[in-house]
Amino acid sequence: AQTVTQSQPEMSVQEAETVTLSCTYDTSENNYYLFWYKQPPSRQMILVIRQEAYKQQNATENRFSVNFQKAAKSFSLKISDSQLGDTAMYFCAYANDYKLSFGAGTTVTVRA
Amino acid sequence: DVKVTQSSRYLVKRTGEKVFLECVQDMDHENMFWYRQDPGLGLRLIYFSYDVKMKEKGDIPEGYSVSREKKERFSLILESASTNQTSMYLCASNPQGISTDTQYFGPGTRLTVL
Repeated sequence: AQTVTQSQPEMSVQEAETVTLSCTYDTSENNYYLFWYKQPPSRQMILVIRQEAYKQQNATENRFSVNFQKAAKSFSLKISDSQLGDTAMYFCAYANDYKLSFGAGTTVTVRA
Repeated sequence: DVKVTQSSRYLVKRTGEKVFLECVQDMDHENMFWYRQDPGLGLRLIYFSYDVKMKEKGDIPEGYSVSREKKERFSLILESASTNQTSMYLCASNPQGISTDTQYFGPGTRLTVL
């Protein structure tokens, strides 16, 4: 079974600073997909960024970027120039074939 | 914009009651999913469906069943609710690839079983 580990339950960052969320996963597959989802307080979960494992290049979406290390099975998310609206719980997710696994989540609080 | 709606935001039921949670998506997506979200455990997949009347078990199907009679609607059923089913339930859908496509989530139903 695939497992996804987010080792940081909570993180706090000053507005305009950078924060990095860690995610590791366990798999024996070569082709799979990785996602970061964001769940703001009392709001719907939305996609932040998506990475295909066969692509070497790290995905970037505006202020959000990932550091994908396939050999290390690591998929960290960097939030640059943090904004108050980034306050949310962030979930790392792994998907392959019909298997979908989410991590326990990291709560990020951006301080004004 | 994709819209996924769930019938209730909050629900309180008694032990032993039959509970229906409804989910509707308006973008003609092939796949629909039911998760439960618990603190410290993240999201765990209960069931998913890749077509009308088709369903597959996820990681924690025990105590739950599902129904997909129409493409846009996916129902989660608790045949006899128990207190350990108190949780946040999230519905999601995606267009084609179960694993490859982004999932679009509903707002969630917070179920309390007394």
